[in-house]
Amino acid sequence: GQNIDQPTEMTATEGAIVQINCTYQTSGFNGLFWYQQHAGEAPTFLSYNVLDGLEEKGRFSSFLSRSKGYSYLLLKELQMKDSASYLCASMDSNYQLIWGAGTKLIIKP
Amino acid sequence: GAVVSQHPSWVICKSGTSVKIECRSLDFQATTMFWYRQFPKQSLMLMATSNEGSKATYEQGVEKDKFLINHASLTLSTLTVTSAHPEDSSFYICSARDGSSQETQYFGPGTRLLVL
Repeated sequence: GQNIDQPTEMTATEGAIVQINCTYQTSGFNGLFWYQQHAGEAPTFLSYNVLDGLEEKGRFSSFLSRSKGYSYLLLKELQMKDSASYLCASMDSNYQLIWGAGTKLIIKP
Repeated sequence: GAVVSQHPSWVICKSGTSVKIECRSLDFQATTMFWYRQFPKQSLMLMATSNEGSKATYEQGVEKDKFLINHASLTLSTLTVTSAHPEDSSFYICSARDGSSQETQYFGPGTRLLVL
């Protein structure tokens, strides 16, 4: 079956670094997405990985290992505004998105 | 875990025809469902919010007469794209909020619409 796993909740301190992991099993693979969703708002696109390796965008980086079915989102220099849910989604061979349940990230001062 | 399904997953239609997309919550009651559209590698754009048994609330700039939403039951919402045009081609994603947990949204796999 198709499955995406990510932690339900994580807590980190302002200014620190946090890594949110995601493992996936999908029928075929056409890329891995990360979205950020603040309460009551639509998810915003953060990153898309289809090749192995690390992609850096400012304070956010995303990593993919296709052989391991594994990705992580790395957030550096955490700010209070980074408190949100982070959604991992894998695109399968039919270009359908298989969504994780989201990781609620709580940032403490 | 909770599952949201969408049907169809792909649809290709001629310009001027109408297309209906279904969104179902499979193992929970969804008091609220959301419809989004997404262009490649872009954020999801909220189109409308529908509550079971009442009229949908549309976001600014979304034509309610063009994108008809019906949330007739606690497990089904439909989006009908009326008189579709090529610029309506997009990826349409629904999500459903579990009535017992206001914080949690479950997303569907999406429906790709191509209007020729």
